[in-house]
Amino acid sequence: QVQLVESGGGVVQPGRSLRLSCAASGFTFSSYGMHWVRQAPGKGLEWVAVISYDGSKKYYADSVKGRFTISRDNSKNTLYLQMSSLRAEDTAVFYCAKDHAVGPIGYAMDVWGQGTTVTVSS
Amino acid sequence: HSALTQPPSASGSPGQSVTISCTGSSSDVGRYNYVSWYQQHPGKAPTLMIFEVSKRPSGVPDRFSGSKSGNTASLTVSGLRAEDEADYYCSSYAGGNNQVFGGGTKLTVL
Repeated sequence: QVQLVESGGGVVQPGRSLRLSCAASGFTFSSYGMHWVRQAPGKGLEWVAVISYDGSKKYYADSVKGRFTISRDNSKNTLYLQMSSLRAEDTAVFYCAKDHAVGPIGYAMDVWGQGTTVTVSS
Repeated sequence: HSALTQPPSASGSPGQSVTISCTGSSSDVGRYNYVSWYQQHPGKAPTLMIFEVSKRPSGVPDRFSGSKSGNTASLTVSGLRAEDEADYYCSSYAGGNNQVFGGGTKLTVL
């Protein structure tokens, strides 16, 4: 079945770095754009970044631009989010999500992982 | 890119219909037909309910419908059922390769 499994979350000190991974299965990973979306404790959803199906296009929310880097390895069916200069306000559950559209980014996510928790605290 | 505005709460009795609004601007909801809606039960990941304003993914009951007028999008849930109780989030493409979510609406089935 179609599945996304995130990993790599944990507790990290402010200013440090962390890399999240998202392993995809059950669909042709290389055909779809992929997103990262986060949810701070008790708060709503916040879109973080998106990468095109072939990795050639990457876009970020203003709140993470210059600090986070989205990437993918289509040979490993894996999506990544490299996070640096982490701040307390980055504390959240991070979800990876599959774009619903084949090819060009459609900005709707039809498959979500279970999420991985990132806590930024000293 | 400001968040879209949703009412914090909505409610209805089983069998009734309820509509949740999502207000943006002429730069996002009003300009693009890339409005989507997500359902999230406590402790769970979101689920796509509506995409491109009014399209339903396979498996989503036709009790769920979406529409848009000007800068405001709406999600209507007809024939309310207990399992519809959840948080609902709207989202829109906002131009400049950005996407924005609403603050979420907690739907209570009375």
